[in-house]
Amino acid sequence: AQTVTQSQPEMSVQEAETVTLSCTYDTSESDYYLFWYKQPPSRQMILVIRQEAYKQQNATENRFSVNFQKAAKSFSLKISDSQLGDAAMYFCAYRSAGTSGTYKYIFGTGTRLKVLA
Amino acid sequence: SQTIHQWPATLVQPVGSPLSLECTVEGTSNPNLYWYRQAAGRGLQLLFYSVGIGQISSEVPQNLSASRPQDRQFILSSKKLLLSDSGFYLCAWSATAGVPGANVLTFGAGSRLTVL
Repeated sequence: AQTVTQSQPEMSVQEAETVTLSCTYDTSESDYYLFWYKQPPSRQMILVIRQEAYKQQNATENRFSVNFQKAAKSFSLKISDSQLGDAAMYFCAYRSAGTSGTYKYIFGTGTRLKVLA
Repeated sequence: SQTIHQWPATLVQPVGSPLSLECTVEGTSNPNLYWYRQAAGRGLQLLFYSVGIGQISSEVPQNLSASRPQDRQFILSSKKLLLSDSGFYLCAWSATAGVPGANVLTFGAGSRLTVL
């Protein structure tokens, strides 16, 4: 079974600085999707970024970018120019892209990011 | 555009009482539907998912059940709540392959359940 591990329960970053959140996963599949979701205090889950495993190029969305290392099964999120509004819980997630009918999205335990003014 | 509605937003129930949380999706057909639970300080635990009407897959055997009576409606139920059922419940949807919303999970606003 696939698993997602986020080993940093909490991280802090100074406003305008850069922070990297770590995520590792375990799978025997070659084709899958990886995601980072943000959960602010409102608790609404928001998609931050998505990576397709067959794409070697790292995904970017404005100040958010990922470092996808397929062989190492690592998927870290880099937030540049951190803003107070980035303070939230961040979840890493995995979904198989296969045709076996496995539509499950597996989530890590989350990393709480604090942004210091 | 697609939207997802989940209710009630907050619920306080006594132990042993029944539960019904409802979720509907608009603007798409035949979505994949999911129920997750987020216990305090913990990640998201997948409870149930459904790929079609009447098709429910259970991930964690427990006190809860799910039903999908209509294409875009997903209901989470319990006949008798336990203290351990307290938590934040999230409904989510994903489109089938090849249509907008595929291969990404979109969440409702969540339902906070407190069992006393």
